[in-house]
Amino acid sequence: EIVLTQSPGTLSLSPGERATLSCRASQSVSSSYLAWYQQKPGQAPRLLIYGASSRATGIPDRFSGSGSGTDFTLTISRLEPEDFAVYYCQQYGSSHMYTFGQGTKLEIK
Amino acid sequence: EVQLVESGGGLVQPGGSLRLSCAASGFTFSSYEMNWVRQAPGKGLEWVSYISSSGSTIYYADSVKGRFTISRDNAKNSLYLQMNSLRAEDTAVYYCARDLGEPRAFDIWGQGTMVTVSS
Repeated sequence: EIVLTQSPGTLSLSPGERATLSCRASQSVSSSYLAWYQQKPGQAPRLLIYGASSRATGIPDRFSGSGSGTDFTLTISRLEPEDFAVYYCQQYGSSHMYTFGQGTKLEIK
Repeated sequence: EVQLVESGGGLVQPGGSLRLSCAASGFTFSSYEMNWVRQAPGKGLEWVSYISSSGSTIYYADSVKGRFTISRDNAKNSLYLQMNSLRAEDTAVYYCARDLGEPRAFDIWGQGTMVTVSS
């Protein structure tokens, strides 16, 4: 089973700053199978990025994804107040199972 | 509007059973693979189960294999999760989620239904 490790656990930044979130896999992951989600308190997760770098429908272009192999990154170029939330990466593996990272909490500094 | 609405959650004793439902609307349900994902209170997301569009292919997380059964009724635009032999560690919000297929990701989520396993 592929384990995804997200870092940092908590990221404290101010609106207008750039956020860089990391997701590292214990084995190589196909870029087609790496996704990022945003979750706000009391809400369901929302798909942000799929295929490592493709933005989902309606997602602002300040969100971007990159990476390959075992190292993937979600970047938010200029933080808006509504971007403060928990972010999860997700992968789909050869054993036909999905796994999520433990999450990164992006909080207002 | 594309929508998924879960129901069927509640309080159940350890060892008990519960059946969750997920009603789909606004899209051709029979064309999409579906999943269940859960989230324990204050914890992260955990994938539970997958079902193909026809229902012929099914996968489970090891933590629920042999206890949970996923199914679907395409005529009723509905997804189900039968949960048996429930344990305290199954306490969570359960979400149904639509699968994009290729590439793999969950693009539509329901609002979730809470399952509490406690005596």
